[in-house]
Amino acid sequence: GAGVSQSPSNKVTEKGKDVELRCDPISGHTALYWYRQSLGQGLEFLIYFQGNSAPDKSGLPSDRFSAERTGGSVSTLTIQRTQQEDSAVYLCASSLERASSYNSPLHFGNGTRLTVT
Amino acid sequence: AQKVTQAQTEISVVEKEDVTLDCVYETRDTTYYLFWYKQPPSGELVFLIRRNSFDEQNEISGRYSWNFQKSTSSFNFTITASQVVDSAVYFCALSTAISGTYKYIFGTGTRLKVLA
Repeated sequence: GAGVSQSPSNKVTEKGKDVELRCDPISGHTALYWYRQSLGQGLEFLIYFQGNSAPDKSGLPSDRFSAERTGGSVSTLTIQRTQQEDSAVYLCASSLERASSYNSPLHFGNGTRLTVT
Repeated sequence: AQKVTQAQTEISVVEKEDVTLDCVYETRDTTYYLFWYKQPPSGELVFLIRRNSFDEQNEISGRYSWNFQKSTSSFNFTITASQVVDSAVYFCALSTAISGTYKYIFGTGTRLKVLA
């Protein structure tokens, strides 16, 4: 497919368990973003990747959250010891971004709906 | 500080009415981009339009039009003759380069309900 792919689409986990959320960006897109959207709320920025490095991880809510990106492509967002307040839709977006250009629109995946019970 | 404000949390209109969604932004950068995204009930955010800070020309695309005014730091979105399929949450976003990184800052969204 040509779009941003996220898996799983839904994840139900017990409080205290670790979860991994995967994002497969559009091929060739160098920038990758993770956002969180709680029910009925706006988009909360989590982390931004340029290639494999993360110049901005200021939005990660706590040290239970981490993310990595390998090969300039797939990214994984890991939440350790999940809490009920982590329940939300986690959205990934990618853009074709060059060093001097930040006008590329973000292309979003369908998100992973995480429910912590 | 970089900020996007969408003061309207929810708007309800009757089909065929015109509706304007407001967006006010804050940035100290002279070069920036503004975007509108649509999030229908299915959940996926869809890109609608991009505008750079040097181009204040208004744009029309079918029933959609956008009014960008730097003097008031606003980038408002108007839907003419609204339809039920326009029901969605609409997000305004600002993109700037801060210290070499690129941040997209989203507003909190406006939920539009178009009633038949």
